[in-house]
Amino acid sequence: EAGVAQSPRYKIIEKRQSVAFWCNPISGHATLYWYQQILGQGPKLLIQFQNNGVVDDSQLPKDRFSAERLKGVDSTLKIQPAKLEDSAVYLCASSSRGTGGSYEQYFGPGTRLTVT
Amino acid sequence: GEDVEQSLFLSVREGDSSVINCTYTDSSSTYLYWYKQEPGAGLQLLTYIFSNMDMKQDQRLTVLLNKKDKHLSLRIADTQTGDSAIYFCAEVPGYSSASKIIFGSGTRLSIRP
Repeated sequence: EAGVAQSPRYKIIEKRQSVAFWCNPISGHATLYWYQQILGQGPKLLIQFQNNGVVDDSQLPKDRFSAERLKGVDSTLKIQPAKLEDSAVYLCASSSRGTGGSYEQYFGPGTRLTVT
Repeated sequence: GEDVEQSLFLSVREGDSSVINCTYTDSSSTYLYWYKQEPGAGLQLLTYIFSNMDMKQDQRLTVLLNKKDKHLSLRIADTQTGDSAIYFCAEVPGYSSASKIIFGSGTRLSIRP
């Protein structure tokens, strides 16, 4: 079974530029998550999709961040314009309900963004 | 608040047991997880425990849950160099949907020879 794919793996941009990240979840996983992981911290949820609908975007800075999941499969996360404090690893995850009832999230390798 | 707390660092000798501790926030949390993150990689689910259990064992891993104190621990027996990583504790709060997870800041485990 293929895992969660993300691209690019690394991106360096200048502040005020725009950037977009792409995620392809595990086939059949209805739920998709985008997390921001700042160095030395745990992942922080930015947005959660169920199929192509938004379940939770309460921590998404909507003035500069946007995300979409057309057709309920792939997703893109965009930052426009970027700030220095956006430097982080952006993780995509997808989940299915495990046999024990828990939602087991599977993570992609992440995109490391550096804003200069 | 939504802070899952963990100590930042743990150093153990190869072959010894490692115990990583975590304090979570919501006494009604349904699931508690341990994830492992190796350098440059995403997070890998190691194990989880349901809130009606107080212990779960899976090969070298033992998870202990103390609901009264909201304390979770992960014990790794016979720690090996391949266990070097950052370990994240995470909870599913009772007030959230079953699929929202809140992560701690992670404990960096280093192994000395």
